[in-house]
Amino acid sequence: KQEVTQIPAALSVPEGENLVLNCSFTDSAIYNLQWFRQDPGKGLTSLLLIQSSQREQTSGRLNASLDKSSGRSTLYIAASQPGDSATYLCAVKTGANNLFFGTGTRLTVIP
Amino acid sequence: NAGVMQNPRHLVRRRGQEARLRCSPMKGHSHVYWYRQLPEEGLKFMVYLQKENIIDESGMPKERFSAEFPKEGPSILRIQQVVRGDSAAYFCASSPLGQQNTGELFFGEGSRLTVL
Repeated sequence: KQEVTQIPAALSVPEGENLVLNCSFTDSAIYNLQWFRQDPGKGLTSLLLIQSSQREQTSGRLNASLDKSSGRSTLYIAASQPGDSATYLCAVKTGANNLFFGTGTRLTVIP
Repeated sequence: NAGVMQNPRHLVRRRGQEARLRCSPMKGHSHVYWYRQLPEEGLKFMVYLQKENIIDESGMPKERFSAEFPKEGPSILRIQQVVRGDSAAYFCASSPLGQQNTGELFFGEGSRLTVL
């Protein structure tokens, strides 16, 4: 059974720092991996989608990488801002209906 | 192009009552998924539907829970005789026609159910 782990569970950084969030998964037979952002009491906002054949995706200050063979993905956030404070969720898709989520990394960017 | 619309955003029920949660997928999307997020836990898959068909309900409790996605109208997640343990955020997601495996999932804002 697919298991998704996110480390660290919580992270506090001063504004302006670059940071890396980690995601690992146990079964490399995935279709894609998706990073989401969730603000308290809100829904999920899709940040980046990486198909299994891709190595990375970039959007603005965000860069996500995927190493399918080792079961790892990283989300790199450059020049962090207080508005980046949120919980970041990683999810892997193994079939039409099977999207497995990690429990997230709660990020706080201190002004 | 409106996103995934869920209502109500917040719902309070007493034990034994029924809860009905509605989800309208994004325009052009024919795949609907329901997930549940318990406090301090990750999102867990409940059910996957296409129009008029339940494709996979393996994540749904066997009793009291049901889901539908009729030909016309939103998808409905129905919880009968609610108990305190049903208190959670229920999220709906949709993906485009023909991209059920590789397509990006788009989530709604969620419906937060509180059972008193």
